[in-house]
Amino acid sequence: GNSVTQMEGPVTLSEEAFLTINCTYTATGYPSLFWYVQYPGEGLQLLLKATKADDKGSNKGFEATYRKETTSFHLEKGSVQVSDSAVYFCALAGNQGGKLIFGQGTELSVKP
Amino acid sequence: GAVVSQHPSRVICKSGTSVKIECRSLDFQATTMFWYRQFPKKSLMLMATSNEGSKATYEQGVEKDKFLINHASLTLSTLTVTSAHPEDSSFYICSADPGSISYNEQFFGPGTRLTVL
Repeated sequence: GNSVTQMEGPVTLSEEAFLTINCTYTATGYPSLFWYVQYPGEGLQLLLKATKADDKGSNKGFEATYRKETTSFHLEKGSVQVSDSAVYFCALAGNQGGKLIFGQGTELSVKP
Repeated sequence: GAVVSQHPSRVICKSGTSVKIECRSLDFQATTMFWYRQFPKKSLMLMATSNEGSKATYEQGVEKDKFLINHASLTLSTLTVTSAHPEDSSFYICSADPGSISYNEQFFGPGTRLTVL
């Protein structure tokens, strides 16, 4: 079945550092891929998405490229801020829509 | 656009009582809504898929009689935790699928923190 694997957290960075959170997936067909962010005590917000191979999703300085050859969708940001501290979830939806399959989440803590 | 609300945001109840949580899509119609449960520092666990006008589809291991789901309209789904016990304490999050508006994307509510004493 479909699955998503994220790098283990927590990840602690200094402000303005470069961020990479790895995400790989297993899926049949052509899934859509997502990154969601969850701030403390809140629900999930969509950060970015990509619906086909080689698409690059981007938002708020974050970006991720849908790599079918490596079944990956790594999240990157060139310069993190303290306000980026949150839990980040990689997710996929099968090519027939419906359920989201989530990775385990990666907690990011950015120190001033 | 695409806002989903949940009510209440927090609820504390006594063991043995029932609690109802509402999930509303405020500016779009959702034929499908999803209910998730999240334990501290853990990922989201899909509990059930709620389809308007039909019975919910529960994931394996989720008790249908304990977690009652009703999707009475295209903008409202409810989750009722019946005879709640302390182990039901958790963060419950709903999401709504707007269908044709945004392919495969779900919009999430802010979550409901349930504490059972």
